[in-house]
Amino acid sequence: DAMVIQNPRYQVTQFGKPVTLSCSQTLNHNVMYWYQQKSSQAPKLLFHYYDKDFNNEADTPDNFQSRRPNTSFCFLDIRSPGLGDAAMYLCATSRVAGDSPLHFGNGTRLTVT
Amino acid sequence: AQSVTQLGSHVSVSEGALVLLRCNYSSSVPPYLFWYVQYPNQGLQLLLKYTSAATLVKGINGFEAEFKKSETSFHLTKPSAHMSDAAEYFCAVSSTGTASKLTFGTGTRLQVTL
Repeated sequence: DAMVIQNPRYQVTQFGKPVTLSCSQTLNHNVMYWYQQKSSQAPKLLFHYYDKDFNNEADTPDNFQSRRPNTSFCFLDIRSPGLGDAAMYLCATSRVAGDSPLHFGNGTRLTVT
Repeated sequence: AQSVTQLGSHVSVSEGALVLLRCNYSSSVPPYLFWYVQYPNQGLQLLLKYTSAATLVKGINGFEAEFKKSETSFHLTKPSAHMSDAAEYFCAVSSTGTASKLTFGTGTRLQVTL
């Protein structure tokens, strides 16, 4: 089945220690997204890629970076995680067009100690 | 700017009862509207979407939603709740463009009791 896969499901990192979360897709979608979801809150868009074009949300902290080396893979890099960055990180994909639904992975739950 | 408001952060229904989860939207252009469901420690799964075709949209798991422009609403309903429907439900709005930049509501947690 075509899907969006996130690894790892659970990630523990130390305060200030860089961490990378990964996402892969077999849907061949042009657009890939990273959302941050804190406990009992709505997902918040951090950035998205339209093919190789990177689109950052205005309020996404500089601490968050992303890479998309090819169509299938996308990475979220947190350069210096703080306690406030503990959250579920959701990767999603879609076709091009505003009415295309997003297909989500199961997320990576990040704990910062 | 676009936004959605979900009324009621928690809704509790008995098994077999009607489920009604409310969502109102605000958009300066004709919106695309979605309902997603999220089970604990999982990603979001699409229930249904409205993209300006039929105003009554049927989705998976017996859910449906009706787009009412006059009321700027897109409420989610299911005639008979099942225990497996217990989850978090998110309404979301998107607009025309090359990417579905969804804006989510704050979510409604549905509890189903015996």
